[in-house]
Amino acid sequence: AQSVAQPEDQVNVAEGNPLTVKCTYSVSGNPYLFWYVQYPNRGLQFLLKYITGDNLVKGSYGFEAEFNKSQTSFHLKKPSALVSDSALYFCAVRVYNAGNNRKLIWGLGTSLAVNP
Amino acid sequence: ETGVTQTPRHLVMGMTNKKSLKCEQHLGHNAMYWYKQSAKKPLELMFVYSLEERVENNSVPSRFSPECPNSSHLFLHLHTLQPEDSALYLCASSRETGGVDEQYFGPGTRLTVT
Repeated sequence: AQSVAQPEDQVNVAEGNPLTVKCTYSVSGNPYLFWYVQYPNRGLQFLLKYITGDNLVKGSYGFEAEFNKSQTSFHLKKPSALVSDSALYFCAVRVYNAGNNRKLIWGLGTSLAVNP
Repeated sequence: ETGVTQTPRHLVMGMTNKKSLKCEQHLGHNAMYWYKQSAKKPLELMFVYSLEERVENNSVPSRFSPECPNSSHLFLHLHTLQPEDSALYLCASSRETGGVDEQYFGPGTRLTVT
């Protein structure tokens, strides 16, 4: 079955330290992968995506993600966390459904807390 | 932030009421989406419109009825809802529906069914 998993419900990190939010996936064919962030009382905001090319993708607000085909992972990273990065992070992967339509399926989200 | 707007931001309705959610995108996109976001559940795709034509309906109960009068506007008409329909309803848009383009989300409507 096609799926995406975010194994951690919550990640805590001290301000200034590097952060990683994990995502693994299972899809048929080449994966198209996305990261979104949701701040309280707001909609989701696009951070970055992997379609093809370099395995290291750079996105908004200093975030980057590394596509690892052998480990079927697409972990989100940032070298130095800010308190303002505290939010809910979602990983998503494009899949084909039974009608051969393309759509995104979403992870459950990981709550990131950056402590001052 | 103002690329996709949604009204109202909060809505409380009884199970016998009829109400509508409105979404408007100012990005010139061709595709629009309705999602339901509930706690502890993955984001649920409800409907997809491409160039004003509904291209996907993910087994959504008929008490939810979408309408897309043009490529900039999307409505979700609600009637005889159930308490389990209480959730955050998100509208999104993208250039196309192929799954390559990122989606831009509105702030959502927090719906409470009493």
